[in-house]
This record gives sequence, C-alpha cells and structure tokens, in this order.
Amino acid sequence: GAGVSQSPSNKVTEKGKDVELRCDPISGHTALYWYRQRLGQGLEFLIYFQGNSAPDKSGLPSDRFSAERTGESVSTLTIQRTQQEDSAVYLCASSLVGGRSSYEQYFGPGTRLTVT
Amino acid sequence: SQQGEEDPQALSIQEGENATMNCSYKTSINNLQWYRQNSGRGLVHLILIRSNEREKHSGRLRVTLDTSKKSSSLLITASRAADTASYFCATDDTGFQKLVFGTGTRLLVSP
Repeated sequence: GAGVSQSPSNKVTEKGKDVELRCDPISGHTALYWYRQRLGQGLEFLIYFQGNSAPDKSGLPSDRFSAERTGESVSTLTIQRTQQEDSAVYLCASSLVGGRSSYEQYFGPGTRLTVT
Repeated sequence: SQQGEEDPQALSIQEGENATMNCSYKTSINNLQWYRQNSGRGLVHLILIRSNEREKHSGRLRVTLDTSKKSSSLLITASRAADTASYFCATDDTGFQKLVFGTGTRLLVSP
C-alpha cells in the first residue's frame, strides 16, 4: 500500500516568506508526527497529533511554527516569516498507537527547506 | 530534547566485518526502536525491542537491551556496502506516547 507522502520534496524560499509543508499519512494511522532535522543532526520533535486529542505542540521552536491536521488524514506544517535557521529537512511520520506503548513509525521522504 | 545518545558518532568498517552501535537513554521506557536513514531523508524502521526483552534478532541484526543500565546495542553482522547509513535509536518515555530519537551513528561500510 501507499506509504507516507510529503510535498513538496524541496522548497527554496526567501527569508521572511511563509511556507506550508504537507504530509499525507498512511490510511488508518491515528498518530502523526512532525520532526525537523538540520544537516548532520538528529531528529528534533516538533508536534504530535493523536486522533481527535489536542496535539502535543511541546516541540515547536517558536510561535512562527504551527500545524494542523484534518481528522486522521492530511497535515500541514506552516512556518511564518521564515528565517535562515529554519533551513532543514522536515520529516513527517505516522503510526498506529495503542494503549501507552508506541508503535513503529513510518516516515515520509521529507521536505528539504532552504531559506535564502 | 533528545533522550538517546548513540556511540560512536561515526564508524568506518570493511565489508564483511561486524558493526556495533550503542545507545544510552535516561528514563523508563516501554520499548526501544532502531531506525536507519539513507542520504538524510526518511527513516526506515529496523527493529523494536520491548522493555521486558533482553535480546532480539532480525536477519543480520541483533539488538540487546539492558534496562538496568539504560542502554541498548545494535549489531550488524557481515556488513555490506548497502548498510552505509545513519542509525538512530528511539525510545518512548513511559509518560508520553511519542518517540524521542538519539543523535545517530553514521556507519560507512567500504567494499
């Protein structure tokens, strides 16, 4: 079946512009995650959606970052007034979640954002 | 914040050799997972080991977990050039339904 898809695959934007990144999770996966990965670094958690519960926004680095999810489907990550330090690969993942144990996450190919 | 710390940060070996990577974490967990990342893009899940398990095998992969030391190791046997990638451990803090990824080990396998 189809995996997690993300669009665009690459995005170059000028400093100060807003950008919107899209993630289509695997159908039936109730949990959706956004991560940021700077060059040569590990994954930095940004935000987590689980079903209809309030999202866990604890990883968002500033109020310029926001994300939405429509039900258990598509999610968009919006970065307003982009800065050069926002340049990174933004990865989306989805998973089944049951009880208090997390399951393996399925990752999309990521969006490489470059802010000039 | 990142809970897991992988060691070493980078590892360079020859094809056919074994590669061992270690991961340390800080809090109680339900399970620990290992992922592989090629070329800085999406991660691929390799193996999951639960907190009540001590060792797990999958093909050429062997994972151990020592909850008393809060550490795990990933062993790749008979490595191949195609194993060249970054490897990350990820843990789920028992208080939260999300994974926290470590800093990664960059593995280079030379033909």
